[in-house]
Amino acid sequence: QQQVKQSPQSLIVQKGGISIINCAYENTAFDYFPWYQQFPGKGPALLIAIRPDVSEKKEGRFTISFNKSAKQFSLHIMDSQPGDSATYFCAASRTSNTGKLIFGQGTTLQVKP
Amino acid sequence: DVKVTQSSRYLVKRTGEKVFLECVQDMDHENMFWYRQDPGLGLRLIYFSYDVKMKEKGDIPEGYSVSREKKERFSLILESASTNQTSMYLCASRGTGPVYEQYFGPGTRLTVT
Repeated sequence: QQQVKQSPQSLIVQKGGISIINCAYENTAFDYFPWYQQFPGKGPALLIAIRPDVSEKKEGRFTISFNKSAKQFSLHIMDSQPGDSATYFCAASRTSNTGKLIFGQGTTLQVKP
Repeated sequence: DVKVTQSSRYLVKRTGEKVFLECVQDMDHENMFWYRQDPGLGLRLIYFSYDVKMKEKGDIPEGYSVSREKKERFSLILESASTNQTSMYLCASRGTGPVYEQYFGPGTRLTVT
């Protein structure tokens, strides 16, 4: 079965620190790698996404780093804030009309004030 | 603004009952998905539909069925609920074309006793 492995399962970071979440995938046909953010009581929402033709994508304090040869990608949250406390999911898919996503196991991030 | 709504936020059912979970989206999306979310396992795809009356099994379809009679509505059916189906159920939708974002509903927390 195609898998996406995510680590760590939980993460505690001090306010202002850097949060790093890692994901590894198996299927080299994957060509779309999004990160979703989920707050308690809400459904996941797209945070940032990358395609394998670039090695890094930055949106504000959030950066995806992508290593195609290692089949790994990671989310970096700079200057982490208590409002970033949420569950983060990486995912991967082959771009197609259905856009079926394979999700990682999720990381619960707590940013301490 | 895309909106995906789910019929119930919390549901308690007894073992053996037939359970219907309803999902409605207002963006005329072709693709709709049902996931279950369990701690440490991430989001796992149960079924998806790429058009009215069309459906495909996801990774964990056993014990579930779906119905899509209208484009905006996608129903998940538990034919005979069991305690191991106690979970958070999330519905999502996505259009076709180059935009691959999935839009999620708030989820239904189902408890089977």
